Amino acid sequence: EVQLVESGGGLVQPGGSLRLSCTASGLNITKNFINWVRQAPGKGLEWVSVVHSVGTTYYADSVKGRFTISRDNSKNTLFLEMNNVRREDTAVYYCARETVAAGKRWFGPWGQGTLVTVSS
Amino acid sequence: QTVVTQEPSVTVSPGGTVTLTCASSTGAVTSDYYPNWFQQKRGQAPRPLIFSTSSRHSLTPARFSGSLVGGKAALTLSGVQPEDEADYYCLLYYGDCWVFGGGTKLTVL
Repeated sequence: EVQLVESGGGLVQPGGSLRLSCTASGLNITKNFINWVRQAPGKGLEWVSVVHSVGTTYYADSVKGRFTISRDNSKNTLFLEMNNVRREDTAVYYCARETVAAGKRWFGPWGQGTLVTVSS
Repeated sequence: QTVVTQEPSVTVSPGGTVTLTCASSTGAVTSDYYPNWFQQKRGQAPRPLIFSTSSRHSLTPARFSGSLVGGKAALTLSGVQPEDEADYYCLLYYGDCWVFGGGTKLTVL
């Protein structure tokens, strides 16, 4: 079974840093596109970032320059390094696989999410 | 900044048919935007329904269908069930990023 599990969420002060993890089972992260999506409390979904299988990364303007995606291939784990966090970064963070095949693109599976709270 | 617009809320009667739409501030939505649709219920992760305009995921009931209508992506629910009450999000691809719509709260009443 293909599964993604996020971890690392918690309380962080404004201006601080936090590293989220997305651990995959049943798939090789180096052969897949993995996205981060977040959802602020009571709000809609927001796409955050993606890392392609070849390692190319893209970021939403709202996090560009502050968030960085990296991978530990030996642990089949993806990381989202969050620096200089702001109160508006408070959200549940999900990782999700994006599949590109046969001229189509789709998302799934999704992890269960990890909550990040930015507060002093 | 690209904005993807959905109806904020829609109400439908059980057994009825409803169409939710998804518009892009950049112009007409085409298949090149690979429209994806997700259902989300309170406290749960998003559930993929439709991808690349009209393809159903393996577990998506046949009453859900996707299309392009009038320059927008569309999600149609036919024979709506009470359990379809949820938030629905569209997602569009812009080459180097994806953008979600603001979501539609579907009420079955």
